[in-house]
Amino acid sequence: DVVMTQTPLSLSVTPGQPASISCKSSQSLLHIDGKTYLYWYLQKPGQPPQLLIYEVSNRFSGVPDRFSGSGSGTEFTLKISRVEAEDVGVYYCMQSIQLRTFGQGTKVEIK
Amino acid sequence: QVHLQQWGAGLLKPSETLSLTCAVYGGSFSGYYWSWIRQPPGKGLEWFGEINHSGSTNYNPSLKSRVTMSIDTSNNQFSLMLSSVTAADTAVYYCARGRYQGDYFDSWGQGTLVTVSS
Repeated sequence: DVVMTQTPLSLSVTPGQPASISCKSSQSLLHIDGKTYLYWYLQKPGQPPQLLIYEVSNRFSGVPDRFSGSGSGTEFTLKISRVEAEDVGVYYCMQSIQLRTFGQGTKVEIK
Repeated sequence: QVHLQQWGAGLLKPSETLSLTCAVYGGSFSGYYWSWIRQPPGKGLEWFGEINHSGSTNYNPSLKSRVTMSIDTSNNQFSLMLSSVTAADTAVYYCARGRYQGDYFDSWGQGTLVTVSS
């Protein structure tokens, strides 16, 4: 199984300040097709997860440009340039190079 | 705009079989892979597996012995059955869509809370 490990598990951020979440995988997510199968989701309270980033760094349709993803191989980062109140929730990374597994989640709250 | 609507029994006794169905409205049905994911209360996400329009499945090995997925292309629906449930299967269950095998999930159902209790 590919194990996904996120840090930190919780984050308290002042509105307007940046935030960063790390995700590490137990094996490389780089496929022989050249794509890296790492995604980021946000689950707002009482809702299903919503896709933010696909293939490491591509913002999904409608996702604000304050969200960005980076990384390669086994280490990845999600950054929010200026946190807004609507960004609260739990952020998950997910891999799909081998079936699907999710990270434990990082809870983001506003100070 | 695709919409996934799911339903099923919300309260089960241990050893019973969980059964959930997800209906797809809007957009193509046959061109996608359809998944089930669950989330125990206060915990993270676990992927069950996926099925395509031809009935080809790809299951999570940790659950494979108890899981059956099926598809009804005439009604744009797909279903999950999980046998021999225990309290550990208490969770919110989601259906979701992927464009192809191994893809991300771009649309989700609203979730169904299933509680297993004697």
